[in-house]
Amino acid sequence: GENVEQHPSTLSVQEGDSAVIKCTYSDSASNYFPWYKQELGKGPQLIIDIRSNVGEKKDQRIAVTLNKTAKHFSLHITETQPEDSAVYFCAARVSYNTDKLIFGTGTRLQVFP
Amino acid sequence: NAGVMQNPRHLVRRRGQEARLRCSPMKGHSHVYWYRQLPEEGLKFMVYLQKENIIDESGMPKERFSAEFPKEGPSILRIQQVVRGDSAAYFCASSPPQGIAKNIQYFGAGTRLSVL
Repeated sequence: GENVEQHPSTLSVQEGDSAVIKCTYSDSASNYFPWYKQELGKGPQLIIDIRSNVGEKKDQRIAVTLNKTAKHFSLHITETQPEDSAVYFCAARVSYNTDKLIFGTGTRLQVFP
Repeated sequence: NAGVMQNPRHLVRRRGQEARLRCSPMKGHSHVYWYRQLPEEGLKFMVYLQKENIIDESGMPKERFSAEFPKEGPSILRIQQVVRGDSAAYFCASSPPQGIAKNIQYFGAGTRLSVL
């Protein structure tokens, strides 16, 4: 069945360092991979996404890479700031007859000043 | 230009009661998705609806749960005869009807259901 694995489950970094979160998906038909940031008591907020016809995408301090052969995709945050502290979720969308997202289990990122 | 609106934000029910969760999608969005999040876990897909149609309910429990998205008004997730295991945060997302942005799901702030 469809599955998305996410690692690590927790990540602590010093302010200014980089953070990397990795995900693996099981269904090779997946074609869209968003990343969401969830702060305490709030709903997930889309921060970046990538489609299967692209290998990398950047938006300021955030980048996402996709390796379709290995079915891996990763989130990279550079120059981390305390306000980056949150839970980050990766997700994969399977293309056939439904738009549902399969989510990873989340990574709790803590950035220490 | 309001985002996805969910209400209530918090809902307390006793075992056996009914819970009704409402979701108003973003303006112009005709696709609605419901997800459930247990504490310290990721979001699990429940159901995908378009106006007046259920497209995919593969994540919905077979009993006690139902969802609708009428022609007029918000989408409703209904849980009958709630049990303690239904306690969770329920999130609604919406997406536009077509174009490349169709893939993008925008989430509401969620309804936190507590069953006593």
